[in-house]
Amino acid sequence: GAGVSQSPRYKVAKRGQDVALRCDPISGHVSLFWYQQALGQGPEFLTYFQNEAQLDKSGLPSDRFFAERPEGSVSTLKIQRTQQEDSAVYLCASSLSSGGTEAFFGQGTRLTVV
Amino acid sequence: GDSVTQMEGPVTLSEEAFLTINCTYTATGYPSLFWYVQYPGEGLQLLLKATKADDKGSNKGFEATYRKETTSFHLEKGSVQVSDSAVYFCALMGRGNQFYFGTGTSLTVIP
Repeated sequence: GAGVSQSPRYKVAKRGQDVALRCDPISGHVSLFWYQQALGQGPEFLTYFQNEAQLDKSGLPSDRFFAERPEGSVSTLKIQRTQQEDSAVYLCASSLSSGGTEAFFGQGTRLTVV
Repeated sequence: GDSVTQMEGPVTLSEEAFLTINCTYTATGYPSLFWYVQYPGEGLQLLLKATKADDKGSNKGFEATYRKETTSFHLEKGSVQVSDSAVYFCALMGRGNQFYFGTGTSLTVIP
């Protein structure tokens, strides 16, 4: 596609509900990143894939957060038993390779947990 | 660990004023450095980047020079326009290939 696509754009979840956020990276991009951006803050790293391999998940805040990229393209970030502190914008980015290359960001999914 | 510190905002300037947004970094080795911009209602877009010391990144009249001796990557523009109003993020790419972002600086340019 022309850019990184994320869906849904907005999600309201009741506390305790599970949610799944989808990211379609740019075709052919090897690297895929997930970030969490709280209001008024910069994006915080969550996890990184190179193709289907999850090379770094050190930023996932708890074991309620899980990400996958089974075929090395589309990725899903799942949050189980959502809490109010999970409310944020979740950004996905992809890049052609690693090592200083530009990352292209999607518009994000705004998650509000009520 | 790797981190980025950037100037707190918000910043309000008149059109045609000079802009500087300070950014310093802490990193192991020699990271690549970036400035991203987020216009209202849009996603993050790369503004410019530099991959090694003394490199100057430039785009749309903005520029930033990778200064290893001061661990800085300050963003400058000689004459801002109303259309430059946005949030600007300094970032570095660490050894693990993830980006570390500053907290963002909101810029408003008034006519």
